[in-house]
Amino acid sequence: DVKVTQSSRYLVKRTGEKVFLECVQDMDHENMFWYRQDPGLGLRLIYFSYDVKMKEKGDIPEGYSVSREKKERFSLILESASTNQTSMYLCASSPGETNTEAFFGQGTRLTVV
Amino acid sequence: EDKVVQSPLSLVVHEGDTVTLNCSYEVTNFRSLLWYKQEKKAPTFLFMLTSSGIEKKSGRLSSILDKKELFSILNITATQTGDSAVYLCAVEDRSNYQLIWGAGTKLIIKP
Repeated sequence: DVKVTQSSRYLVKRTGEKVFLECVQDMDHENMFWYRQDPGLGLRLIYFSYDVKMKEKGDIPEGYSVSREKKERFSLILESASTNQTSMYLCASSPGETNTEAFFGQGTRLTVV
Repeated sequence: EDKVVQSPLSLVVHEGDTVTLNCSYEVTNFRSLLWYKQEKKAPTFLFMLTSSGIEKKSGRLSSILDKKELFSILNITATQTGDSAVYLCAVEDRSNYQLIWGAGTKLIIKP
């Protein structure tokens, strides 16, 4: 089974802190994605990566950055956390050139106080 | 602007009922439509639809796509409490391979 693992299930951080959300997949997938999910808004793409050291902005990249130094690991960074970044963050991975049938991690519920 | 709209936003039915969830879309470069089930945290894949009129079926779940009217439905027959979840619809944009997500339908099955 494909496994996508996010480092934390729940996280509470203070405003202004630097926050790292880690995601690791074990199926040698080329594509990795970071989404946030908010009630009534569905999943919104923050950043994605099609290869090591490659990143592309999604729909809502402001306030976030990413890092992909190794194929299996995709990190989401909040340089200076703000309360409006309180959300559920989902990481996903998929093989090949399309993100069809993406596999998701369990999610990280981040609360910024 | 591309968009995916799901309805209803929430639905409460009794065990054994049949439900139909709707997903309409306006996506310029349509490639496929996907349904996911989300329980607790991570969405899990249900169906991928690319052609009109061809029903995909898995147990009590089935789905069909209408590319002329730009919508899809997800049917669940003989519902069980384990079907309670948020059901997400997404459309894949063939120009950039990204998924455009609906807000989801929260389905609650009462025993």
